[in-house]
Amino acid sequence: QSALTQPASVSGSPGQSITLSCSGTSSDIGSYNRVSWYQHHPGKAPKLMIHEGNKRPSGVSNRFSGSKSGNTASLTISGLQAEDEADYYCCSYAGSNTFVFGTGTKVTVL
Amino acid sequence: QITLKESGPTLMKPTQTLTLTCTFSGFSLSISGVGVGWIRQPPGKALEWLALIHWDDDKRYSPSLKSRLTITKDASKNQVVLTVTNVDPVDTATYFCAHYTPFFDRGGYYRGPNAFDVWGQGTMVTVSS
Repeated sequence: QSALTQPASVSGSPGQSITLSCSGTSSDIGSYNRVSWYQHHPGKAPKLMIHEGNKRPSGVSNRFSGSKSGNTASLTISGLQAEDEADYYCCSYAGSNTFVFGTGTKVTVL
Repeated sequence: QITLKESGPTLMKPTQTLTLTCTFSGFSLSISGVGVGWIRQPPGKALEWLALIHWDDDKRYSPSLKSRLTITKDASKNQVVLTVTNVDPVDTATYFCAHYTPFFDRGGYYRGPNAFDVWGQGTMVTVSS
């Protein structure tokens, strides 16, 4: 069970859209529709942004959207805002009630 | 409103056993479909899923740490406890507990945990001689 692969950093200007990728395998992302994304500001509790690949919890801005293709999941942040600057982690169900997190992506708003 | 709070020692010596407690409110671990997980984050590194426990006392562990982890619950006290044996400096991390949401398939059948929707603030544990 290896960590999902995410780019170390992604940046964008305010108002732009950015897409974060999350690469897994046929044993995790490819087999289950249970990819979740978390926003983490250091020193705070991680926040669930997307679950089941593309569902937003109540209260999460519709600027955040998720998708999946094969063994890769993606998180798109549209209309980038300064407050979106944070670390983002993907997570996938990996069968047998286990999970695997991604390596994390640092989003910088230029 | 669901809340969780982690507690435990801040400093450990190598080879000791670490015991962390997650005290929660706003839900019951006696209810079907409910569960709590533990996740950690070493300084400057990524989140790592460690373990989870379900309402029916089913327990699951990260394969890489399974031999050193034990998760238990006390539903009457609204607590979940994680023990890590034989700690090493590489176990230095912030440890989080989190409530998970259930996953239901298209037929409405429960199929296990879905995502961690509410997290505690975390507790930092340093392992050093």
